[in-house]
Amino acid sequence: IAGITQAPTSQILAAGRRMTLRCTQDMRHNAMYWYRQDLGLGLRLIHYSNTAGTTGKGEVPDGYSVSRANTDDFPLTLASAVPSQTSVYFCASSEGVGQPQHFGDGTRLSIL
Amino acid sequence: GDSVTQMEGPVTLSEEAFLTINCTYTATGYPSLFWYVQYPGEGLQLLLKATKADDKGSNKGFEATYRKETTSFHLEKGSVQVSDSAVYFCALSDRRNKLIFGAGTRLAVHP
Repeated sequence: IAGITQAPTSQILAAGRRMTLRCTQDMRHNAMYWYRQDLGLGLRLIHYSNTAGTTGKGEVPDGYSVSRANTDDFPLTLASAVPSQTSVYFCASSEGVGQPQHFGDGTRLSIL
Repeated sequence: GDSVTQMEGPVTLSEEAFLTINCTYTATGYPSLFWYVQYPGEGLQLLLKATKADDKGSNKGFEATYRKETTSFHLEKGSVQVSDSAVYFCALSDRRNKLIFGAGTRLAVHP
């Protein structure tokens, strides 16, 4: 079934550790996005990529980095995790900028 | 900056009741408007959208009309089912074509 695959599903991580959340899509969508979801705040955009080879900062980019080496993959890296990064992370993609977004099932990350 | 405000939940209804979830927005220009639904343990799914004033989006019995004069995009359904229990997010696409989400409204439907 076509769609977005995120891994891992959940993770508990010690503060200060490095972590990469994986996101792969098989729909050949040009644009990809990373959001964090926190209770009472909805979803907030962390980073985005309008096309392979380009990335941009969203609303809450600090402490996160991304890369877009190819169309399908868009990993999100926490270089040195802090407890405030405890959240549910969603990857999404769209055919193009402004088109409806398709979401993965999320990664639940707890930083202790 | 652009923003979306939704009514706070949870909204608790009996099966076959009428549903309204209010959504208002603040934006520069004329954004596209969306409703997304999130079922437990899953990501968000697009429910419906409207791209210009007076457009009505509809899907699965849900409807929302883009009201420019009141800057609103309220979600309605005439008869809810238990399977509609989920969290509903209103969103707009800003000038940079990025989605701005509301905080979400949890709907619980009881038999």
